[in-house]
Amino acid sequence: DADVTQTPRNRITKTGKRIMLECSQTKGHDRMYWYRQDPGLGLRLIYYSFDVKDINKGEISDGYSVSRQAQAKFSLSLESAIPNQTALYFCATAGTGGHKSTYEQYFGPGTRLTVT
Amino acid sequence: AQRVTQPEKLLSVFKGAPVELKCNYSYSGSPELFWYVQYSRQRLQLLLRHISRESIKGFTADLNKGETSFHLKKPFAQEEDSAMYYCALGTSYGKLTFGQGTILTVHP
Repeated sequence: DADVTQTPRNRITKTGKRIMLECSQTKGHDRMYWYRQDPGLGLRLIYYSFDVKDINKGEISDGYSVSRQAQAKFSLSLESAIPNQTALYFCATAGTGGHKSTYEQYFGPGTRLTVT
Repeated sequence: AQRVTQPEKLLSVFKGAPVELKCNYSYSGSPELFWYVQYSRQRLQLLLRHISRESIKGFTADLNKGETSFHLKKPFAQEEDSAMYYCALGTSYGKLTFGQGTILTVHP
């Protein structure tokens, strides 16, 4: 679904560097989410936002921060990257209202981040 | 606290065989359960949701509140079903809690 895009798609960085992952959506959704995917651990929620002025921590927010610059943009930052933040990162969106469940999320293609 | 458990990391079956991917959940509220699927080189997408009671690509899943389970089933697996499958639980705050995922491989 090209409506949710992530940049960059791949990134290799060094320990201690600051890095930002960006997510944009054209679905008009209010809700946006950041997850990380690790083998054997599934998807874990890092941060989520229900509108521009609403930012919430997920289950694994330590070491991460986010910015909701607009309804369509939600960025994830690693202030000082460490090797155990090597993972696949997904952005997702969800709408409210209508006949669909608000739990139906639409995912971006993912960003593969490697911290050396 | 909510939790989703998928006990099988890997599941292999032969084409035409029945397949069942297990999912158990723990949640004190009224659950909404989903199955998401990630095919090779594609993004994660919704497969089905328990509310709609629909069958997608031959898959069905029944919510069993007594056993707190939401197993995904298909009577005759196809090679194109090979993928990563995630069970997910929706909570009252608009969040999804995902299980660990099961990689299904369907052999020819």
